[in-house]
Amino acid sequence: QKEVEQNSGPLSVPEGAIASLNCTYSDRGSQSFFWYRQYSGKSPELIMFIYSNGDKEDGRFTAQLNKASQYVSLLIRDSQPSDSATYLCAVRPGGGADGLTFGKGTHLIIQP
Amino acid sequence: GAVVSQHPSRVICKSGTSVKIECRSLDFQATTMFWYRQFPKKSLMLMATSNEGSKATYEQGVEKDKFLINHASLTLSTLTVTSAHPEDSSFYICSARVPGRGGEKLFFGSGTQLSVL
Repeated sequence: QKEVEQNSGPLSVPEGAIASLNCTYSDRGSQSFFWYRQYSGKSPELIMFIYSNGDKEDGRFTAQLNKASQYVSLLIRDSQPSDSATYLCAVRPGGGADGLTFGKGTHLIIQP
Repeated sequence: GAVVSQHPSRVICKSGTSVKIECRSLDFQATTMFWYRQFPKKSLMLMATSNEGSKATYEQGVEKDKFLINHASLTLSTLTVTSAHPEDSSFYICSARVPGRGGEKLFFGSGTQLSVL
């Protein structure tokens, strides 16, 4: 069973601080890693994707990937109340699989 | 970004009836679409992979005769929940792969909240 693990939270962060979201995966052959944001009752929205080890920055968001540790994270700088949502980590497994495997998500709360 | 349109957004039906959900790619051709379901406070679970012009590939535990998938064109995939029961009540979301720089990405439709009475 290929798994993606996330702490369900809630993770509470003061406005303006850095929110750090973490994810581990079991399939060492995984190739692609994604972070989605999902507001309550809405469908997921792609925030970031990363394929190579290291950091990838896009605006206030930074994705970090460490394939040796099978670990991927998302940092949100200057957190805003509008960032409050559930963040889903998704992994495309190796072996030619098409669909993504999702973690259960981390509920992030940005406190004004 | 790419647009995936899903309809209807919400449906309430009686037990035993069938419900069809449509998923369209509006500005790109999607040879492959994916159908997920999500229960409250749970993660997305892949139900099936829909391939244009061929049979869908279902995940283990998903009844293909209950969840009929048709991918008749490069821009449309449909999911029909046949003889719906209350336990089928869930949030159903379609998605499509969009090729681009850095590899393919997955974009989601707006989802369909199905409530079976």
